[in-house]
Amino acid sequence: DAKTTQPTSMDCAEGRAANLPCNHSTISGNEYVYWYRQIHSQGPQYIIHGLKNNETNEMASLIITEDRKSSTLILPHATLRDTAVYYCIVRVASSGGSNYKLTFGKGTLLTVNP
Amino acid sequence: NAGVTQTPKFRVLKTGQSMTLLCAQDMNHEYMYWYRQDPGMGLRLIHYSVGEGTTAKGEVPDGYNVSRLKKQNFLLGLESAAPSQTSVYFCASSDRTDTQYFGPGTRLTVL
Repeated sequence: DAKTTQPTSMDCAEGRAANLPCNHSTISGNEYVYWYRQIHSQGPQYIIHGLKNNETNEMASLIITEDRKSSTLILPHATLRDTAVYYCIVRVASSGGSNYKLTFGKGTLLTVNP
Repeated sequence: NAGVTQTPKFRVLKTGQSMTLLCAQDMNHEYMYWYRQDPGMGLRLIHYSVGEGTTAKGEVPDGYNVSRLKKQNFLLGLESAAPSQTSVYFCASSDRTDTQYFGPGTRLTVL
């Protein structure tokens, strides 16, 4: 799986958009970008994933650059409950293959301030 | 629909004792996983299963055993606990879409 680079920490004001960057310059053509988050003392939570196109769901938007070497997770209106460690993970879809595991790095600690 | 549940939530063991952690999922997922998380580190995969009756080693399998006798359950065993196994243990499950759903974790301390 491709290596990812994320800032160690970020701050965001409540109600504002939080933009979390991720660099994955060695990504391969068949690798997806996944985002998970982990709120303190809880299990990780899936947020969103994408291959090439931008994606949006009820939690967030994922913007992937045209060359796919970086992406940004956007939380449009951050709340205090969004304070968490956010993990960007790049991996091949398993589709019956042997690469099932998610490799979690250290992620970005997002602190949403009142 | 409870998702993924883990039992127990907390446990303190003495070195050399054994215990079993239970993970249960009610989403009919084929794949299940056990991870451990140590302070300041990301999650590391211990063992995983791609279906009932199957198990496979992850990144850090030493000192642990697993069993998947029923599709909905994945057990993680420590035969002889060591202080290095003090950690938070997370179970997860997924279907073929790759999205993994995690349980709330078990905090284990080995004295």
